[in-house]
Amino acid sequence: DSGVTQTPKHLITATGQRVTLRCSPRSGDLSVYWYQQSLDQGLQFLIQYYNGEERAKGNILERFSAQQFPDLHSELNLSSLELGDSALYFCASSVDSLDTEAFFGQGTRLTVV
Amino acid sequence: DQQVKQNSPSLSVQEGRISILNCDYTNSMFDYFLWYKKYPAEGPTFLISISSIKDKNEDGRFTVFLNKSAKHLSLHIVPSQPGDSAVYFCAASALDPSGAGSYQLTFGKGTKLSVIP
Repeated sequence: DSGVTQTPKHLITATGQRVTLRCSPRSGDLSVYWYQQSLDQGLQFLIQYYNGEERAKGNILERFSAQQFPDLHSELNLSSLELGDSALYFCASSVDSLDTEAFFGQGTRLTVV
Repeated sequence: DQQVKQNSPSLSVQEGRISILNCDYTNSMFDYFLWYKKYPAEGPTFLISISSIKDKNEDGRFTVFLNKSAKHLSLHIVPSQPGDSAVYFCAASALDPSGAGSYQLTFGKGTKLSVIP
């Protein structure tokens, strides 16, 4: 158990819909990262938050957004969903933004039908 | 443009033998390299890492070798055990180019290791 909690574990939704994925980081970790893993792809970095502020952006679509709340949990919002958004979405956390070792949650498997 | 490449999607090894997983990178700004292991239905877990100032790091049965001039690293598992069967991701870290003071991890696509009893 990494200490990072992601909910829900599975999500099935229709195209055009909007979903919210939730992540609770390890106790004491200030930095949260979101990654997307599509079929046969590596983990693609989406976005990072550190202590409530956006710190770095990767290949995140404009239809996607995220935030980190004062209690340090984070949410990833995916809107106008397309079939190609079906993937595993991982959240990871680390103590600070310069910590190179991140701890991953179990992921949320999103299926868009 | 894939900055971290794992060219072997899969690898099968007999139990007790050595497993060698390879990884190539293109970005010379990477200064820290990590290997993660992933079992089905679980998130990746950190396995071992190496700083760019070193060429070898060992932790029990796991050793990572870094060849900076070739931009190549490898993970050796000796002896391989059936419980090592998993997908192994190579990752490389560099400071975010925006100057925000943050490291970003760039992952390869993974190599599925199967250790045959």
